[in-house]
Parts: sequence; structure tokens; C-alpha cells
Amino acid sequence: AQKVTQAQTEISVVEKEDVTLDCVYETRDTTYYLFWYKQPPSGELVFLIRRNSFDEQNEISGRYSWNFQKSTSSFNFTITASQVVDSAVYFCALSERRQGAQKLVFGQGTRLTINP
Amino acid sequence: DTGVSQDPRHKITKRGQNVTFRCDPISEHNRLYWYRQTLGQGPEFLTYFQNEAQLEKSRLLSDRFSAERPKGSFSTLEIQRTEQGDSAMYLCASSSGILAQETQYFGPGTRLLVL
Repeated sequence: AQKVTQAQTEISVVEKEDVTLDCVYETRDTTYYLFWYKQPPSGELVFLIRRNSFDEQNEISGRYSWNFQKSTSSFNFTITASQVVDSAVYFCALSERRQGAQKLVFGQGTRLTINP
Repeated sequence: DTGVSQDPRHKITKRGQNVTFRCDPISEHNRLYWYRQTLGQGPEFLTYFQNEAQLEKSRLLSDRFSAERPKGSFSTLEIQRTEQGDSAMYLCASSSGILAQETQYFGPGTRLLVL
């Protein structure tokens, strides 16, 4: 069965520090997709990134970067020079393809607090 | 594009009452998903529609739950005879295009509290 583990339940850092959110996944599929979503206090899940299993190239988008390592089944997310607005719950998710759908299997989330 | 919208945003009900939630997907998105999120947990898949057809239901969806998507546009999720364990955030997501390139876009959710 598909499983996503985010071992860090809560992280608290001071503004401008770099922070890395860990994500480890389990799957038997040879082709799969990984995602990161941000959930601010308003509750809406905001899409951040989608990564295909056959593309292990790391990605950088502004202060955000993602490190995908298939060998260790990890898809970690780093925020550089964190800001208070980055405070939210972050979810890593793995797609499970069933009957023409991509069901998302989410981790438990990491609550990130950036203190001024 | 207007994003996914959900109504109501909050619902408080008494145990045993029926409730109905509505989701309006992004225009022309043919796939629609419902997820449930309890406090401190990640969302869990409930059910999925391709156009108007409900193609899969999770075992989490007991017979008190029913979902519809008439005409392949908006969707409703009804919970009959609510129980306190139904208290959760109900999230709707929509997507379109090639499945291999799919990204699900979520609405703001409906937060249900059963007293």
C-alpha cells in the first residue's frame, strides 16, 4: 500500500533561517507522482510542486527547492531565508493511480512556524 | 480561472441531522475528488467523479454518505444521520487533462462540527 511519512510534526524557526521539511514515501508502482501542498490557516490546500518518478532533477523556485532521491524514497522541501508568511502546515502527497484517477495519499503534515 | 469553491464554509449541526455540502470545480475540469481531513491529519480520499460518473468510493464512505455530480458540473456530498465522528474538514478538488500530468486544485473546504 502507498504510504507517506512526514516525521516532523512541528518545526519552529526564526525568520530568515533555512528550514527543510522531510518526506519519505512507500510505493510499489514504478511510475508515480509526488506533490507538496501548503495549507495556511484559512484551510485551503495550495499546490506547490508536482514531481514525476522518472525525473530526479531537483527543482528550485525562488526561495523554495525540492530534493527528490529515488534511492532513499525521499522528497524533501527546503525553504531558504524563511519568512513569517511561510507559516503553515505543509503536506507531502503521493499519487495512487486507480481506475482512471490519481488518488492522493497524504502524509500527516508538518506545521511550520516562522517567528519574527 | 475562478478556483474551486465550496459552500458552506462552516456547518454546525446536531447529531442525527442530515447535511449537504456543495462543490463547484474549476470550469471545464472533468475530474472531481472529495477528501476528508480530521484534526492534525492529512486529507483522506473519499470519492471521485469523472464527469458525472462516480468511479470510485473509499471504504471510509459509509452508507450514510452519498455524493452526486449531476451533469458533470458541481457536486454535492450528503451525510445522513450525522455522528460526532463525522466532524472534519471536507475538501473538494478538481482537475483535467492527461492523467499523467494531473494536478488537483483544492477548494477552501467545508468545516463540519457535529454536536
